[in-house]
Amino acid sequence: DADVTQTPRNRITKTGKRIMLECSQTKGHDRMYWYRQDPGLGLRLIYYSFDVKDINKGEISDGYSVSRQAQAKFSLSLESAIPNQTALYFCATSEIPGQGPNTDTQYFGPGTRLTVL
Amino acid sequence: AQSVAQPEDQVNVAEGNPLTVKCTYSVSGNPYLFWYVQYPNRGLQFLLKYITGDNLVKGSYGFEAEFNKSQTSFHLKKPSALVSDSALYFCAVRDVYNFNKFYFGSGTKLNVKP
Repeated sequence: DADVTQTPRNRITKTGKRIMLECSQTKGHDRMYWYRQDPGLGLRLIYYSFDVKDINKGEISDGYSVSRQAQAKFSLSLESAIPNQTALYFCATSEIPGQGPNTDTQYFGPGTRLTVL
Repeated sequence: AQSVAQPEDQVNVAEGNPLTVKCTYSVSGNPYLFWYVQYPNRGLQFLLKYITGDNLVKGSYGFEAEFNKSQTSFHLKKPSALVSDSALYFCAVRDVYNFNKFYFGSGTKLNVKP
């Protein structure tokens, strides 16, 4: 987990506020992902990025935006937070598919617990 | 649509007994399947994966999983459970059309009692 870090680890905010969650990795991976975890729903993909120039929407991108500032940094923003965005958010990285023995394995950060009041 | 399902929210087992955590999948084509474990206040950790080859896959911490194509299942198993195995377990499948996307199950909480 130390290879993928997330800040903050916990955040409480109010409805309508803008908030940014940050992710950094030292694994040298090109692929980075943002997921949210809700009880009983597992992990759902919000956005993913191939590299700094390539960002793609996942299953539940509405209400979220992302920025890939560098290979190592991938930020998730909630422009106007709402209570149903209360969840545990995970960043993950992976190697390019087809390269290396650990291809397809995702490496997760420790998560950010976000509460929107 | 591609997906995995974990039919049990929770599995309880006594320490020393064998454990099974169930997963079924729905994909068109050959599936790439994964198991991850999440300990409290931690991110998910990779346990094992099936891509091709032997139907029995061995992974970390003594876990293994059996791929069954006819039953479209990929159950996680361990011959002798430890209390320290108590955690949340997720099954996942890679998108067959977009190798960069993965779909996760809803998770199964494993409780191993002394």
